[in-house]
Amino acid sequence: EAQVTQNPRYLITVTGKKLTVTCSQNMNHEYMSWYRQDPGLGLRQIYYSMNVEVTDKGDVPEGYKVSRKEKRNFPLILESPSPNQTSLYFCASGDRGWNTEAFFGQGTRLTVV
Amino acid sequence: QQQVKQSPQSLIVQKGGISIINCAYENTAFDYFPWYQQFPGKGPALLIAIRPDVSEKKEGRFTISFNKSAKQFSLHIMDSQPGDSATYFCAASLNSGNTPLVFGKGTRLSVIA
Repeated sequence: EAQVTQNPRYLITVTGKKLTVTCSQNMNHEYMSWYRQDPGLGLRQIYYSMNVEVTDKGDVPEGYKVSRKEKRNFPLILESPSPNQTSLYFCASGDRGWNTEAFFGQGTRLTVV
Repeated sequence: QQQVKQSPQSLIVQKGGISIINCAYENTAFDYFPWYQQFPGKGPALLIAIRPDVSEKKEGRFTISFNKSAKQFSLHIMDSQPGDSATYFCAASLNSGNTPLVFGKGTRLSVIA
């Protein structure tokens, strides 16, 4: 089954404790991206990657890091999480550019206290 | 330039009625306009998409109308059903396909019996 898998689905952590949210896709997509979803703000892009070892900042990259060492994986790293990073996070992947269908993971609900 | 403005923020429609959600954009380089549907607890999923070479695209009860001169596009849901209750996002991407989708802020649709 074609899918984008995020882990964990739910996470509660404390301010300053480094965490990683993993994202893996089994569709051999070149394009991957992270979004955060907040009420009234829609989906805002954090980082995206067009291929292995190629990453770019999105609209809200502050406080986040990403890496793309393998085509299938695109982890999101919060080095020192803060309460304003409490949000619902989605990983997405796409084939042959973003002007075709983007496939989204199930989401990771992160709470930073 | 990169924004996509979506309205209304929320919408309540009677079962059997027509739901209409509107989006406007500024960047004339956008050339792919998808709509995504998101149910609670799920990631967004592609519903229907259009390219600027046509003014309308219909798939079942869902229709996209596109007005290139006005830089607007809209989603019409005919014979709306309670199962259509979800959040809908319009989006746009550039003709290169290398810049990830820019999303509107979403419309929460409730279809009541």
